[in-house]
Amino acid sequence: KNQVEQSPQSLIILEGKNCTLQCNYTVSPFSNLRWYKQDTGRGPVSLTIMTFSENTKSNGRYTATLDADTKQSSLHITASQLSDSASYICSFQRGASGTYKYIFGTGTRLKVLA
Amino acid sequence: NAGVMQNPRHLVRRRGQEARLRCSPMKGHSHVYWYRQLPEEGLKFMVYLQKENIIDESGMPKERFSAEFPKEGPSILRIQQVVRGDSAAYFCASSRTDGVNTEAFFGQGTRLTVV
Repeated sequence: KNQVEQSPQSLIILEGKNCTLQCNYTVSPFSNLRWYKQDTGRGPVSLTIMTFSENTKSNGRYTATLDADTKQSSLHITASQLSDSASYICSFQRGASGTYKYIFGTGTRLKVLA
Repeated sequence: NAGVMQNPRHLVRRRGQEARLRCSPMKGHSHVYWYRQLPEEGLKFMVYLQKENIIDESGMPKERFSAEFPKEGPSILRIQQVVRGDSAAYFCASSRTDGVNTEAFFGQGTRLTVV
């Protein structure tokens, strides 16, 4: 069964610190993996996109990695800011057919404190 | 270029009433997707529409739920005879095409509360 599990469920860090969010998956095959940021009361916004053959992708202070052997992806946030407080969701776009059918994780709620 | 617009942002309905959720895609986007997000759960695909056509409704309950995307006007997700379990955030996304790696942009969602 195609599943996406994220950890931790929630995380509190101090401003300026780094953090890493995890995403374990069993989705197969998939065409790409996206990490989204979802502010409270808002829709998700794409941060990074990686194809199944890529290992890492950066977007400013956000760096996503993908390990196909362990079926894990991570999102690393460096020098966190208060505005990073949000939910972070990993999602997989199914391959072969139904390319629009994303499978989403439940997200990690990040709180950055001053 | 305005983003995906959803309205209303919040909707309260009594059990048994109808809920109508609207979604105006981004300019130039003819592909619309509806997702439901329950508390503590991930976004779940409901239905995919192109102008005047339902392409895939495999994620939508067969009873009480319907969706349309007319030639003119917004896409509508309609829930008839709402029940408490329908309380959720409903998100619409749109894209220019449906190709692999095409990004779909999300609206801010409609939060439906059934009392």
